[in-house]
Amino acid sequence: KAGVTQTPRYLIKTRGQQVTLSCSPISGHRSVSWYQQTPGQGLQFLFEYFSETQRNKGNFPGRFSGRQFSNSRSEMNVSTLELGDSALYLCASRGTGDNEQFFGPGTRLTVL
Amino acid sequence: LAKTTQPISMDSYEGQEVNITCSHNNIATNDYITWYQQFPSQGPRFIIQGYKTKVTNEVASLFIPADRKSSTLSLPRVSLSDTAVYYCLVGGLTGGGNKLTFGTGTQLKVEL
Repeated sequence: KAGVTQTPRYLIKTRGQQVTLSCSPISGHRSVSWYQQTPGQGLQFLFEYFSETQRNKGNFPGRFSGRQFSNSRSEMNVSTLELGDSALYLCASRGTGDNEQFFGPGTRLTVL
Repeated sequence: LAKTTQPISMDSYEGQEVNITCSHNNIATNDYITWYQQFPSQGPRFIIQGYKTKVTNEVASLFIPADRKSSTLSLPRVSLSDTAVYYCLVGGLTGGGNKLTFGTGTQLKVEL
């Protein structure tokens, strides 16, 4: 069974631009969660999607948004990028009723 | 969301047992305790999960006292490859979806 995949793996953007990151969950998993990881703040929960609906949301500004498609693939978007948005963005999927999350390798975003 | 507190770092030698304790004083009744391991530039990987008492799998044991306000991850006979960051998470994944909170993690360094 293929693991969680994230694209792209690395991305460089400039302030003010927007970015879209993609996550493909493990086949059969309907829940996809997104996290931001920075050296200063650690791993922070962004949001979770289940069956195309946002089910939970962390404490991030509205510039961070996401969506999920009918095939459970998910995208997150960050608009008006700031230097502080430079981070490793991780996606995790899990099966219905499962407690274990499976993480992807992450997308390393650098904002210049 | 329950907040967790872990030691920032720990050092050990190959072959020793390592115990990492996590405090979670405001754990809720339906919260599980989960530990993840993360290597540099990779997503976190599930190690073990428990609700109360003791849980053991092929890689670790998890000890949870009756009041559940803390938990201890025990890694028997560590090796160099166990050098990683270990995260303690408290929260529920069923029903209400992902409400997990990652702490700052414990950087474990194993030496010869």
